[in-house]
Amino acid sequence: GAGVSQSPSNKVTEKGKDVELRCDPISGHTALYWYRQRLGQGLEFLIYFQGNSAPDKSGLPSDRFSAERTGESVSTLTIQRTQQEDSAVYLCASSLGNSNQPQHFGDGTRLSIL
Amino acid sequence: KNEVEQSPQNLTAQEGEFITINCSYSVGISALHWLQQHPGGGIVSLFMLSSGKKKHGRLIATINIQEKHSSLHITASHPRDSAVYICAVGVGQFYFGTGTSLTVIP
Repeated sequence: GAGVSQSPSNKVTEKGKDVELRCDPISGHTALYWYRQRLGQGLEFLIYFQGNSAPDKSGLPSDRFSAERTGESVSTLTIQRTQQEDSAVYLCASSLGNSNQPQHFGDGTRLSIL
Repeated sequence: KNEVEQSPQNLTAQEGEFITINCSYSVGISALHWLQQHPGGGIVSLFMLSSGKKKHGRLIATINIQEKHSSLHITASHPRDSAVYICAVGVGQFYFGTGTSLTVIP
């Protein structure tokens, strides 16, 4: 079956532009997570959606970052007025429920800010 | 202060060696996850533990909830086991260790 799909796989943009990253979770997965991984560093939690509950946005690094999810399907992560420090791989994962379920990761979007 | 600490950060082993990676955490959790990230970047979930021990092939994961500690063991290590192994704990959001980079030499 289809796994978690992210698009685009690579994105290069100029500093100051807005970018939108997309994640299609596995069908039926109620939980969806966004993470960031800077070059040579570990995973950083950004935001977590669980069903129709209010998302946990505690990991978003600034108000330039926002994310939406339509029901239990597609999610978009938006970064406004991009900065060079936003360059990273942005990973999406989904799971059947909460942290008691294994997460399935997408291949990520590699974002490069020039 | 890191909520999740892993050790060692880097590990080189000869093929066939028994390998142990440790993870300690300071937050209350509902489950602990071990993840594997290959050089190409893809991440795979290896184990999810809330108590005791799990085994999958040559991989064994244990957790001690009282001591807030987990170990990942690899028996008869192989070069294809070379990857970064990441410990993650969560209740809702996830906290990640910085990873253990394992290289298995033929």
